[in-house]
Amino acid sequence: NAGVTQTPKFRVLKTGQSMTLLCAQDMNHEYMYWYRQDPGMGLRLIHYSVGEGTTAKGEVPDGYNVSRLKKQNFLLGLESAAPSQTSVYFCASRTGQSLDYTFGSGTRLTVV
Amino acid sequence: AQSVAQPEDQVNVAEGNPLTVKCTYSVSGNPYLFWYVQYPNRGLQFLLKYITGDNLVKGSYGFEAEFNKSQTSFHLKKPSALVSDSALYFCAVRPVALDSSYKLIFGSGTRLLVRP
Repeated sequence: NAGVTQTPKFRVLKTGQSMTLLCAQDMNHEYMYWYRQDPGMGLRLIHYSVGEGTTAKGEVPDGYNVSRLKKQNFLLGLESAAPSQTSVYFCASRTGQSLDYTFGSGTRLTVV
Repeated sequence: AQSVAQPEDQVNVAEGNPLTVKCTYSVSGNPYLFWYVQYPNRGLQFLLKYITGDNLVKGSYGFEAEFNKSQTSFHLKKPSALVSDSALYFCAVRPVALDSSYKLIFGSGTRLLVRP
């Protein structure tokens, strides 16, 4: 099925551990985004990419790194997880010609 | 700074009654405006968007939204609420791009609770 797939769906990390969240889309979209969702704060943009091989910082990039080596994949990395990174992470994508944003189902991350 | 405000954390309404979820924005230019809905443990689902033209936009599941340029508002409405409408609703805007991101800026969300 066409869409945005996020893996894993759930994860518990210990403080200081690292992990990578994967976002994969099969719609040939140029733009991809990583958001975090926190209660009372809506969704905030972490990083985004306007095409393969390009990434840029969003509103809350500290503590995260990203890579877009392939057009269909956008990886979000946490090098040393902190409790403040406990959140629900959403990936989204869109094509350059469209106003339609497709969201993944989210990754719930808990850092203890 | 560009921002979106959803002034109500929660809206309570009885089934069958009309509902309104409020949204105002502070963004330069003429932005595109969106409403999304999130059901428990699910991703965001698109409801409707305003690009240009008629100020009343109709969307999915019987929802509609009214754009008011002078008040910079984009309130979500439904004439008759259903219990199944209970969910978290997000207003979002896409500003006139000053950078290459074409990002969405989200409000803090409003939880809608429809009681039987």
